[in-house]
Amino acid sequence: GENVEQHPSTLSVQEGDSAVIKCTYSDSASNYFPWYKQELGKGPQLIIDIRSNVGEKKDQRIAVTLNKTAKHFSLHITETQPEDSAVYFCAASMGGKSTFGDGTTLTVKP
Amino acid sequence: KAGVTQTPRYLIKTRGQQVTLSCSPISGHRSVSWYQQTPGQGLQFLFEYFSETQRNKGNFPGRFSGRQFSNSRSEMNVSTLELGDSALYLCASSLGGQRSVYGYTFGSGTRLTVV
Repeated sequence: GENVEQHPSTLSVQEGDSAVIKCTYSDSASNYFPWYKQELGKGPQLIIDIRSNVGEKKDQRIAVTLNKTAKHFSLHITETQPEDSAVYFCAASMGGKSTFGDGTTLTVKP
Repeated sequence: KAGVTQTPRYLIKTRGQQVTLSCSPISGHRSVSWYQQTPGQGLQFLFEYFSETQRNKGNFPGRFSGRQFSNSRSEMNVSTLELGDSALYLCASSLGGQRSVYGYTFGSGTRLTVV
């Protein structure tokens, strides 16, 4: 089955800096790659996604890149703010099933 | 627009008992997936239901089961509870087309504690 590895497990940045989280997947049939943000006491929330026929997607301060050949994708957050502090999960999806990475705890220091 | 509703929010059960968790998806969403979240294992896929049929299944024992009703509401059941079943159980709804995949909208989860 699909296997997703996510790095780093923890990330601490100063407010205003950029943050990058990387994921690799194993199954070349995966065709949809969402990213979720989970705050304490809440379920994960979809923040951005990318499909396999697209190399890059941007939404304000958040961007995602996909390299299908290398089977890796990354989340980029620019101009980080304290409210960006949360756990971020990547996922690789195919046919109604998503396999998640283990999560990255992002801390943005004021 | 109402979100995904999971009930109950918290549950304490004794080993050997069974439990039923409920999920009401977003109106119009036909796919409901269930995940188990624990600190050590992360988000583990249990199963997905689409139009009342189980379409995908994860690697959990048969004690974990689910169903989906004609109004897309879903329930999952865990029988003969074990201490290791203590976790946050998350329900996720999506449009869930036959061939396409869509992002999930998650509920806030049911926190199950087995004592």
